[in-house]
Amino acid sequence: NAGVTQTPKFQVLKTGQSMTLQCAQDMNHEYMSWYRQDPGMGLRLIHYSVGAGITDQGEVPNGYNVSRSTTEDFPLRLLSAAPSQTSVYFCASSLLAGGPVNEQFFGPGTRLTVL
Amino acid sequence: SQELEQSPQSLIVQEGKNLTINCTSSKTLYGLYWYKQKYGEGLIFLMMLQKGGEEKSHEKITAKLDEKKQQSSLHITASQPSHAGIYLCGAPGVTSGTYKYIFGTGTRLKVLA
Repeated sequence: NAGVTQTPKFQVLKTGQSMTLQCAQDMNHEYMSWYRQDPGMGLRLIHYSVGAGITDQGEVPNGYNVSRSTTEDFPLRLLSAAPSQTSVYFCASSLLAGGPVNEQFFGPGTRLTVL
Repeated sequence: SQELEQSPQSLIVQEGKNLTINCTSSKTLYGLYWYKQKYGEGLIFLMMLQKGGEEKSHEKITAKLDEKKQQSSLHITASQPSHAGIYLCGAPGVTSGTYKYIFGTGTRLKVLA
């Protein structure tokens, strides 16, 4: 199993550009989520999904869109990049059975810089 | 809203010393995870606690959740340079929906050889 994969690993954007961060998992997990990690702020939830076709907002959703057309993929779209979106982005997935205390598996992260 | 506060924010210890990291929640926890993150890398799951008073150990790392389920501690015995990294506690959110996870700001651990 590859686990949770993220692409790209690094990305530099100019203000106003759009892009999509890719996330895929091969563990048949129902739950997938996106976080951003900033210095001194820990991980903050952006969006999450409990299954194909179902998404919801997290703590910091503004400026980001998600969709979940398949169980495996959960892309994160930046509509018009801003310097405040410079961060490290992590995707995670977990099973839903048994409730929300299942282990979350994290991808290696995408380091995004917006100039 | 629920918050997780970790202490200390950073820690430097000599190899072989014991250390403790704390994670305190503003509300009763539904469950609590501990993760380790090496600098510039993803998160590695350490252990999960769910019941009040529960204690789990893995190699030289022991985590405990207090009876009231509002505080957890992570204890490392005889630290080694391989223990260096950022330790994060995380939990399913209680007030905002159980699938909205929250994390502490992390504790940076440095172990001097």
